[in-house]
Amino acid sequence: AQSVTQLGSHVSVSEGALVLLRCNYSSSVPPYLFWYVQYPNQGLQLLLKYTSAATLVKGINGFEAEFKKSETSFHLTKPSAHMSDAAEYFCAAYLLNSGGSNYKLTFGKGTLLTVNP
Amino acid sequence: EAGVTQSPTHLIKTRGQQATLRCSPISGHTSVYWYQQALGLGLQFLLWYDEGEERNRGNFPPRFSGRQFPNYSSELNVNALELEDSALYLCASSLPRGEQYFGPGTRLTVT
Repeated sequence: AQSVTQLGSHVSVSEGALVLLRCNYSSSVPPYLFWYVQYPNQGLQLLLKYTSAATLVKGINGFEAEFKKSETSFHLTKPSAHMSDAAEYFCAAYLLNSGGSNYKLTFGKGTLLTVNP
Repeated sequence: EAGVTQSPTHLIKTRGQQATLRCSPISGHTSVYWYQQALGLGLQFLLWYDEGEERNRGNFPPRFSGRQFPNYSSELNVNALELEDSALYLCASSLPRGEQYFGPGTRLTVT
């Protein structure tokens, strides 16, 4: 089945350090890809999206992600972590549902980012 | 431009009762999605409505149902509430195959 996998349910970095959150997808055709962020007790906010244009996508709050077809990956990075980046991050992709009849936005299980002072 | 809105913010029900959650999409969006986010279970897809029709359904029992109105707003109904239905219910809206924009959620507590 087509799926989205986020490696690492919890990532901890120091303030000012590089943030790298990993996302891989399984699909024979490169899908539309998204990263969302969720702060405690809030809904999800769209960080950035890939829709087959530039492979390096810039988003809000200094985040960016690079689409690599050969690695079926869409990792999220930020050069310097800030305390306010502490949140849960979800990778998502439009993938065919199990019946193959339509596309469904499929989410990874999320990565909780902790930023230490 | 107004984002996705959901009501109520919090809902407390007793086991066996029914709950109704409401969602208003972003103006111009025809698709509405419902998700359940229970503690430790991640984001689970519930339902997708587009142009008034149910397009897809997640792996949930029939007591989870909903509808989409002509103005594209949507309602999620949960019948015969069980304790494990306690969760944050998120609604999202989008254009066809576009990025989904989420509302703030409704926190349902079943006691």
